[in-house]
Amino acid sequence: GAVVSQHPSWVICKSGTSVKIECRSLDFQATTMFWYRQFPKQSLMLMATSNEGSKATYEQGVEKDKFLINHASLTLSTLTVTSAHPEDSSFYICSAGSGSSYNEQFFGPGTRLTVL
Amino acid sequence: AQRVTQPEKLLSVFKGAPVELKCNYSYSGSPELFWYVQYSRQRLQLLLRHISRESIKGFTADLNKGETSFHLKKPFAQEEDSAMYYCALSRGSGSEKLVFGKGTKLTVNP
Repeated sequence: GAVVSQHPSWVICKSGTSVKIECRSLDFQATTMFWYRQFPKQSLMLMATSNEGSKATYEQGVEKDKFLINHASLTLSTLTVTSAHPEDSSFYICSAGSGSSYNEQFFGPGTRLTVL
Repeated sequence: AQRVTQPEKLLSVFKGAPVELKCNYSYSGSPELFWYVQYSRQRLQLLLRHISRESIKGFTADLNKGETSFHLKKPFAQEEDSAMYYCALSRGSGSEKLVFGKGTKLTVNP
């Protein structure tokens, strides 16, 4: 089956630093990847849609200059949290679209970010 | 705008009892509906989708356009069904974004 990996699985950083999270589709090519944020005991909130070779589409209320998304290849998308602050601490999850007519998405295991 | 509502945050049943997780949606077009499941310490995974009209792990869900609902049902719950269940909607085929409900935590007691 389709596998999506994320790296790192958890990261702790100091306030003001930047953190990069990678999302890879291991056995298929994903023209579209999605980035979500999940607060404790809450649902997934879509942050942005990442399209290979073009700019990401951000959801309303998501700062594109703070959450930089790059989708340079068909198997890799990165999310960089710039100048991180404690309120950015969260669980970040990516998914990759299968591109099939069934519109199935395959999810990564998530990255736990803690900003001190 | 699309919206997905899961009215129950928590649902607890005994093993062998029927279970129904409710999901209502609002969307003016013809949506695709999905149920995703997240077992403890595991990633989110697709359980079933309405266009497949399939039964997975004994679960079924029927899209009711009149009531704009896509409730998930299983006649006899098992302990291993305990998990978080998310109903999700997309606007159509292709790589469309998903809108998730807030999720229902199902606990199946022995």
